[in-house]
Amino acid sequence: QQQVRQSPQSLTVWEGETAILNCSYENSAFDYFPWYQQFPGEGPALLISILSVSDKKEDGRFTIFFNKREKKLSLHIADSQPGDSATYFCAASAGTNAYKVIFGKGTHLHVLP
Amino acid sequence: GALVYQYPRRTICKSGTSMRMECQAVGFQATSVAWYRQSPQKTFELIALSTVNSAIKYEQNFTQEKFPISHPNLSFSSMTVLNAYLEDRGLYLCGAIQGLSNERLFFGHGTKLSVL
Repeated sequence: QQQVRQSPQSLTVWEGETAILNCSYENSAFDYFPWYQQFPGEGPALLISILSVSDKKEDGRFTIFFNKREKKLSLHIADSQPGDSATYFCAASAGTNAYKVIFGKGTHLHVLP
Repeated sequence: GALVYQYPRRTICKSGTSMRMECQAVGFQATSVAWYRQSPQKTFELIALSTVNSAIKYEQNFTQEKFPISHPNLSFSSMTVLNAYLEDRGLYLCGAIQGLSNERLFFGHGTKLSVL
């Protein structure tokens, strides 16, 4: 049972375009949604996160759009750069169990120069 | 900013031997440390949660006998993989939870374990 689903599995965009990474979840108790960026050989780095009380969170070129009713969220990467090429994991946790993060299977982003 | 250091970054051990990995939080107090394993297929599994002065909680399929953890203070934790076999391969991640906040889980670079 996959509680957090991501699509697409792989995404290729040109430099300067906006990359859109999608995520959906099943558990209504999830209220915190971090996105992690992982480069090959490295651990996942916290990129941006959102609480379920918000519908949008911006941090520079990265924006999360959150739809609680549909249990969907998306990460938009504006003005994509080749250095953004990485695997992006959508994750979710509930309440005080922040450590029990449920990860999606990731979206591998390629940004072509 | 909050930093989590893990070492070694990579290690290779012979089948049936053990290896110890360490995790250090820098710049913040890690009241709790969650150990994860990322498989070669990139999926994540929670191994255990360690909170200072509390019992360590292991997830199903993971035991103290196989993955003993030490968490002596707010900046340091270690975990050992005993009798490592092929199925134990992967990237072992230490996730440190900052203070009393339940929102932020910071990962180290991970310790990549290869088993021959």
